[in-house]
Amino acid sequence: DAGVIQSPRHEVTEMGQEVTLRCKPISGHNSLFWYRQTMMRGLELLIYFNNNVPIDDSGMPEDRFSAKMPNASFSTLKIQPSEPRDSAVYFCASSLQGATEAFFGQGTRLTVV
Amino acid sequence: GESVGLHLPTLSVQEGDNSIINCAYSNSASDYFIWYKQESGKGPQFIIDIRSNMDKRQGQRVTVLLNKTVKHLSLQIAATQPGDSAVYFCAENRATNFNKFYFGSGTKLNVKP
Repeated sequence: DAGVIQSPRHEVTEMGQEVTLRCKPISGHNSLFWYRQTMMRGLELLIYFNNNVPIDDSGMPEDRFSAKMPNASFSTLKIQPSEPRDSAVYFCASSLQGATEAFFGQGTRLTVV
Repeated sequence: GESVGLHLPTLSVQEGDNSIINCAYSNSASDYFIWYKQESGKGPQFIIDIRSNMDKRQGQRVTVLLNKTVKHLSLQIAATQPGDSAVYFCAENRATNFNKFYFGSGTKLNVKP
């Protein structure tokens, strides 16, 4: 397996634009996580899914953020409208339910100017 | 709120020496504690975990110690190598229902040749 695949690797957008980040989890994994990493706040859990169902989205900062998982092999994190303070590296991770090891993608570095 | 935090933001060691990275946690209800390693430009990578009912667990060149009395976790790396240079995160996980990972703020390990 190629591991967790995220796209794009880098995204630069203007404030107010819509941004969509994509993730393909490892085949067979039934838990998927979206994290945001910044120097100030470290790794923050935004939302996680189990069997494609959102279980806990309490980490989503505000209504501008939304995440979907239409099937077991794809998830998106959307920010609309984007703001400069959303600039961060966004990671997607997947795991088997109950496992302690989560596999992370390479991340998407988002810059909002 | 619940938190997992680190004592030292940066640790510099000489190649060949042993490294000890520390972590304090506040949530006594965690089932597992996990150490992740993050190299520059990459996503975090699982190193080792320890169940909450254990005191010590050893892996290849790494040992994790758990002191529940003082809510302290440590990662010991034997014979530190340049390839060990990275940021190390401790994380907690509750696998009771759906697994959910919370990460500490990270410690940067610099290995000097």
